[in-house]
Amino acid sequence: GAVVSQHPSWVICKSGTSVKIECRSLDFQATTMFWYRQFPKQSLMLMATSNEGSKATYEQGVEKDKFLINHASLTLSTLTVTSAHPEDSSFYICSARPRGGTQYFGPGTRLLVL
Amino acid sequence: AQSVTQLDSHVSVSEGTPVLLRCNYSSSYSPSLFWYVQHPNKGLQLLLKYTSAATLVKGINGFEAEFKKSETSFHLTKPSAHMSDAAEYFCVVSDPGGNTPLVFGKGTRLSVIA
Repeated sequence: GAVVSQHPSWVICKSGTSVKIECRSLDFQATTMFWYRQFPKQSLMLMATSNEGSKATYEQGVEKDKFLINHASLTLSTLTVTSAHPEDSSFYICSARPRGGTQYFGPGTRLLVL
Repeated sequence: AQSVTQLDSHVSVSEGTPVLLRCNYSSSYSPSLFWYVQHPNKGLQLLLKYTSAATLVKGINGFEAEFKKSETSFHLTKPSAHMSDAAEYFCVVSDPGGNTPLVFGKGTRLSVIA
């Protein structure tokens, strides 16, 4: 089946620094990629949707200047958490979808901001 | 608008006994429905999906789900639970074309007792 990877799987950073998370579709071209955030024992919350070559569409309440999303190619999207603070600590999951296909989820990245 | 209600936040079963995880949906059109499983600190794995073909859908690891339009339900079942089935399960709804973001239920945590 289709594989989506995320890197890194774990990241710990100091408050005020920026963190970049990569999401790659390994064996298909992802015309659309999604970024989700999951708090402990809660469901996934969609943060933004990005189509290759276009600006991301952010969900209500998600700061686009805080969570920078780039989808520069059909196999790579990045999420940069700028000036991270402890409240940004969470599990970030990406998914990728080929044109007309099903979403495939990455393994997630756990971010801890100290 | 679409929504999903997972009726139980936690289900506990003994190993070898049947599993039933309940899901009701609301959609203004014939939806696509999915069940995903998430093991601790892992991403989401697709168990099965319904896309307006057969109403009884068979998935991986012995799971199956039945789409019942009259009851707006898509309950997940397995005849015999295994210890490795202990995880978080999410029921998800989408429009048939996959053009709108996935809508997640709040999740059901399945515990399997030896």
